[in-house]
Amino acid sequence: AQSVTQPDIHITVSEGASLELRCNYSYGATPYLFWYVQSPGQGLQLLLKYFSGDTLVQGIKGFEAEFKRSQSSFNLRKPSVHWSDAAEYFCAVGSNNNDMRFGAGTRLTVKP
Amino acid sequence: DAGVTQSPTHLIKTRGQHVTLRCSPISGHKSVSWYQQVLGQGPQFIFQYYEKEERGRGNFPDRFSARQFPNYSSELNVNALLLGDSALYLCASSSPWGPEQYFGPGTRLTVT
Repeated sequence: AQSVTQPDIHITVSEGASLELRCNYSYGATPYLFWYVQSPGQGLQLLLKYFSGDTLVQGIKGFEAEFKRSQSSFNLRKPSVHWSDAAEYFCAVGSNNNDMRFGAGTRLTVKP
Repeated sequence: DAGVTQSPTHLIKTRGQHVTLRCSPISGHKSVSWYQQVLGQGPQFIFQYYEKEERGRGNFPDRFSARQFPNYSSELNVNALLLGDSALYLCASSSPWGPEQYFGPGTRLTVT
């Protein structure tokens, strides 16, 4: 069964600093991988996705993620964090059946 | 283009009551999925519907049911509400051309 682990419950970074959020997945085949962002009380917004091909994918808002099959990881990165990036970030794995499995989320706090 | 819409925004119910949540997908999307997000956790998959047929079901009791209409909108019904059903209920739609899902703002259900 597919599953997702986000090891970091909460991360605090200073504005302008770089960011990396970790995600590990368990899946029998090549997975569909996603990162979503959720502001308080809101729905989820798709940041980026990986299906196949180039393992470094670019997303919206300056985010990127790298798929590493050998490590079963799909970590999210941003070179310079802005105060507006403070939110909850979810990694998810999907399949052809379209049922997605989400991690527990990482809450990002940005210090001024 | 309008995104996924959900109604109502907020709802307060009493234990034992029944509730119906509604979702309209993005125009052209034929698949709708429902998720439950308890505070502090990632979304949990409840149902997926495609072309009015149930395509997937998560690990939820039979008190939860759903249906999809000819215009691809969907309803989620929950009977005999329990305090533990209090959560944000998210609807997501996807197109026939990709597994990524686009989420609505959610319905916040509080059971007292």
